[in-house]
Amino acid sequence: QSALTQPRSVSGSPGQSVTISCTGTSSDVGGYNYVSWYQQHAGEAPKLMIYDVTKRPSGVPDRFSGSKSGNTASLTISGLQAEDEADYYCCSYAGRSPLMFGGGTRLTV
Amino acid sequence: VQLVESGGGLEQPGGSLRLSCAASGFTFGSYAMSWVRQAPGKGLEWVSTISDGGGYLYHADSVKGRFTISRDDSRNTLYLQMNSLRAEDTAVYFCARGLRGSYYNFDSWGQGTLVTVSS
Repeated sequence: QSALTQPRSVSGSPGQSVTISCTGTSSDVGGYNYVSWYQQHAGEAPKLMIYDVTKRPSGVPDRFSGSKSGNTASLTISGLQAEDEADYYCCSYAGRSPLMFGGGTRLTV
Repeated sequence: VQLVESGGGLEQPGGSLRLSCAASGFTFGSYAMSWVRQAPGKGLEWVSTISDGGGYLYHADSVKGRFTISRDDSRNTLYLQMNSLRAEDTAVYFCARGLRGSYYNFDSWGQGTLVTVSS
């Protein structure tokens, strides 16, 4: 199975909002409410930002939000800050597979 | 919560390595654990997951039959036995803890150990 499809890069200015999309199929993103998002700064381990499409782990700012429509999930970051500059990966349960990551999106602030 | 991987290094194609992940700061046996890898300059790839208790094992198709995940709850340690290594297995291997009650939401990660497969 191919990885979930994310834009290679997005950018925004401090204070603005950006949305990163993650497109899959009815066998993964569209079939389950089990989409998560990870932030990874250069040289560091990933960090869980969103799980089960919309839930935020404790400690994650509410500037980060998740949503899903059909086979596409989205991560929205509002009030962009310099420290948000990182790579972002979506991830979805995929049944038999059973887990797939997206190719990653580089966010430039 | 602390996860510390070890066991990576340079290995020839066809060879074997065993990775370890030492866990501390939480009740290790109560959590599902996983391995996720990242090839140099590339994205994340899920490798394997083991349930709390070790009764359920899941492996990605790319490693099925070659890699085996296991755990020793008495030692608070997660393992990945890697056999028949290929060049495409070259990556940083992260161990990750599943959220309580979840196999596939990873709320804590180690810093990773680099595996290089080359002759």
